[in-house]
Amino acid sequence: GAGVSQSPSNKVTEKGKDVELRCDPISGHTALYWYRQRLGQGLEFLIYFQGNSAPDKSGLPSDRFSAERTGESVSTLTIQRTQQEDSAVYLCASSPSGGISYNEQFFGPGTRLTVL
Amino acid sequence: GESVGLHLPTLSVQEGDNSIINCAYSNSASDYFIWYKQESGKGPQFIIDIRSNMDKRQGQRVTVLLNKTVKHLSLQIAATQPGDSAVYFCAENSGGSNYKLTFGKGTLLTVNP
Repeated sequence: GAGVSQSPSNKVTEKGKDVELRCDPISGHTALYWYRQRLGQGLEFLIYFQGNSAPDKSGLPSDRFSAERTGESVSTLTIQRTQQEDSAVYLCASSPSGGISYNEQFFGPGTRLTVL
Repeated sequence: GESVGLHLPTLSVQEGDNSIINCAYSNSASDYFIWYKQESGKGPQFIIDIRSNMDKRQGQRVTVLLNKTVKHLSLQIAATQPGDSAVYFCAENSGGSNYKLTFGKGTLLTVNP
């Protein structure tokens, strides 16, 4: 079956512009995660959605970052007024439910964002 | 804050050798650990996990060892193959979280034919 998909795969933007990244989770997965991966680094947790519960936004680095998810479907991560330090790969993952001890997170291929 | 780290950033082995990738964690409240493999241009892929009530778990060609006394985690890959070349990350459920993971920086494993 189809895995997690993300678009675009690559995005080059100018400093100060807004960008929107999209994630299509695996159908039926109630939990969705966004991570940021800087070059040569591990993954940084950004935000977590679980069903209709309020999302955990504790990982968002600034108020320029926001994310939305409608129900248990597509999610978008928006970065406003992009800065060069926002350059990274943004990864999305989904799982059947929020319990990581029991449900593997399936990752998408990521969106590589480059801010010039 | 507490975080997961790795001892070796790079590891180069010959095909057929066994590989050992190490990871140190500092959050004693974490009780679930995962190893991920990330190939170039792809998202991380689950390899194996272990709960804190275990000290060893085996999968296909992989073994994870957990030493809670010294807060150390390792991934052993038997008979390493060129297809095993990737970055390997350990992750912990942050302080016992049911959903939040803290990742280490990763180890680049290169398998020479």
